[in-house]
Amino acid sequence: NAGVTQTPKFRILKIGQSMTLQCTQDMNHNYMYWYRQDPGMGLKLIYYSVGAGITDKGEVPNGYNVSRSTTEDFPLRLELAAPSQTSVYFCASSRNIEDEQYFGPGTRLTVT
Amino acid sequence: QKEVEQNSGPLSVPEGAIASLNCTYSDRGSQSFFWYRQYSGKSPELIMSIYSNGDKEDGRFTAQLNKASQYVSLLIRDSQPSDSATYLCAVDTGRRALTFGSGTRLQVQP
Repeated sequence: NAGVTQTPKFRILKIGQSMTLQCTQDMNHNYMYWYRQDPGMGLKLIYYSVGAGITDKGEVPNGYNVSRSTTEDFPLRLELAAPSQTSVYFCASSRNIEDEQYFGPGTRLTVT
Repeated sequence: QKEVEQNSGPLSVPEGAIASLNCTYSDRGSQSFFWYRQYSGKSPELIMSIYSNGDKEDGRFTAQLNKASQYVSLLIRDSQPSDSATYLCAVDTGRRALTFGSGTRLQVQP
């Protein structure tokens, strides 16, 4: 099992550009999450999904969109990138919402 | 009051000593508690989970849970320089997803 995979590992965007961060899990988990982590800070929940076709906002959803068309994939879309979105983005999955989460390796995004 | 609170540190301990990391939470209904370790530039990895009051041991790690006092702690015995990392406490607060603390940075001095 690969677990949770994320692409790309690194990306530099110019202000106003858009991009999609990819996340895939092969553990057949229903629950998937997107977090951002700013330097020296904890994890902030952006969006989460409880199953294919169902998504909901987390703590900091503004400037992001998600979709969940399959159990395996949970892409995060950034529209009109801003310097405030410079961060490390982690995707995670879990079997149930109260269970341990498994994290992907992260995507380091810089917006200049 | 934050839902999950941790001292940011750094907590500095000498090699071979016991490191004690603490976490308090605000939701009395919380049922699941997790400790994650995060090395600099890496993703969080699960070390321990605990669901019942008391102690749970796994190798050099012991998690302690006290629901009445609403705290969970992690003890690391015989601390090694390789234990130097940020330790994140995560709590199931019954809504949305696990709530993570901001982490405690541990430094083990050789």
